Amino acid sequence: QKEVEQDPGPLSVPEGAIVSLNCTYSNSAFQYFMWYRQYSRKGPELLMYTYSSGNKEDGRFTAQVDKSSKYISLFIRDSQPSDSATYLCATRTGRRALTFGSGTRLQVQP
Amino acid sequence: DTAVSQTPKYLVTQMGNDKSIKCEQNLGHDTMYWYKQDSKKFLKIMFSYNNKELIINETVPNRFSPKSPDKAHLNLHINSLELGDSAVYFCASSQDAGGETQYFGPGTRLLVL
Repeated sequence: QKEVEQDPGPLSVPEGAIVSLNCTYSNSAFQYFMWYRQYSRKGPELLMYTYSSGNKEDGRFTAQVDKSSKYISLFIRDSQPSDSATYLCATRTGRRALTFGSGTRLQVQP
Repeated sequence: DTAVSQTPKYLVTQMGNDKSIKCEQNLGHDTMYWYKQDSKKFLKIMFSYNNKELIINETVPNRFSPKSPDKAHLNLHINSLELGDSAVYFCASSQDAGGETQYFGPGTRLLVL
């Protein structure tokens, strides 16, 4: 079993829709939670970062962590075609390397 | 001005060959990483160096050898390439070993025939 599980998609939504992307993880020691966005044939780029449980909002993006259920979510409001990419959740404990999910491919149709 | 650069972008080679991938960062970061992304987009850490010192070495075959001549460079040498080595290899850097914000390079697509 992978430490971080993510539905690979693809997830196809119309422009303007609210998108919900989710991950589950197994290691309760994970403390840091991140979402990276990866466009086709590019390297991942950090989108959101949260520490422990709670919500964090940045423009149209909201990251949510529920440590009790080991569940990580990313919500995208008013989705745009430019949001079409693969979204990777990642976690870390202490100074260890990041552990990534396998990514969810999102397509926003104009 | 590229923050993390990798060369080459594409590498096609025969099984059994030896090849190197180079990575440079101009962000002044102390920590650099090599990741492997397979065909299913699963991104897995291979190595991490902090100030030229190896700090993470995941279960990677001995055929893979990283080398950090200075903290701005982290190269990856692969001996006796195998078909299963075909993947995209990403270099990344962060301010320090506890950095959540890792800046990734554009990737090197390796195809072993």
